[in-house]
Amino acid sequence: AQTVTQSQPEMSVQEAETVTLSCTYDTSESDYYLFWYKQPPSRQMILVIRQEAYKQQNATENRFSVNFQKAAKSFSLKISDSQLGDAAMYFCAYSATGANSKLTFGKGITLSVRP
Amino acid sequence: DTGVSQDPRHKITKRGQNVTFRCDPISEHNRLYWYRQTLGQGPEFLTYFQNEAQLEKSRLLSDRFSAERPKGSFSTLEIQRTEQGDSAMYLCASSYAGHNTGELFFGEGSRLTVL
Repeated sequence: AQTVTQSQPEMSVQEAETVTLSCTYDTSESDYYLFWYKQPPSRQMILVIRQEAYKQQNATENRFSVNFQKAAKSFSLKISDSQLGDAAMYFCAYSATGANSKLTFGKGITLSVRP
Repeated sequence: DTGVSQDPRHKITKRGQNVTFRCDPISEHNRLYWYRQTLGQGPEFLTYFQNEAQLEKSRLLSDRFSAERPKGSFSTLEIQRTEQGDSAMYLCASSYAGHNTGELFFGEGSRLTVL
C-alpha cells in the first residue's frame, strides 16, 4: 500500500521569506502523480502543484516549486516570497496512474505566516 | 458551474440518529469520491464512483455507511445509527476520467458532530 508521510506538524515563516515543507512517500509503482494541496481554514482544498513521476523536471507554479527526488521518494514544496494568504494546512498527496486515481494524503502541516 | 457543492455544510445530531449528506460534482465530471477528515488529520478515502458504479470501498466504510450515485450525477452518503466516532468532516471530490491528471476537485465539506 502507498503511504505518504509529513513529519512536521507545524511551520512558521516570516512574510516575504521562503519556506520548505517536507514530504516522503512509499510506493512500488514506477509511474504516479504527487500533489500538494492547500486547505485554508473552513475553506475547500485546492491544488497548489502537481508532479508527474516520469518527468525529471521539477514542477513550478509562480511562487511554488517542488524538489522531487524519485530515488529518495521525497517531494518537498518550496514557497517563495511568502504571503499572509499562504497561511493554511498543506497536504502532500499521492495518486497512482491508471483507472482509479484516488488520492492518498499525508497528515498535513499547518503553515503560519508572520507579518 | 461553480465547482463541487456539498449539503449540508454542518450537521449536529444525537448518537443513534441517521444522517445523509449530498454532493453535487462539477457537471462534466464522471468520477466522484468521498473522503473523511478528522481534526488535524489528512483526508482518508472512503469510496469512489465512476458514473453510477461504486468501484471501490475502503474498509473504513463500515456497514453503517452507504453511498449512492443513482444517475451518475449527484451522490449521497448516509450514516446510520451514528456514533461519536463518526464526528468528522466529510469531503466530496470529483474528476473527469478523460483528463487523467490525477487531480481531484474538492467541495467545502460537510461537518458532522455527533453528540
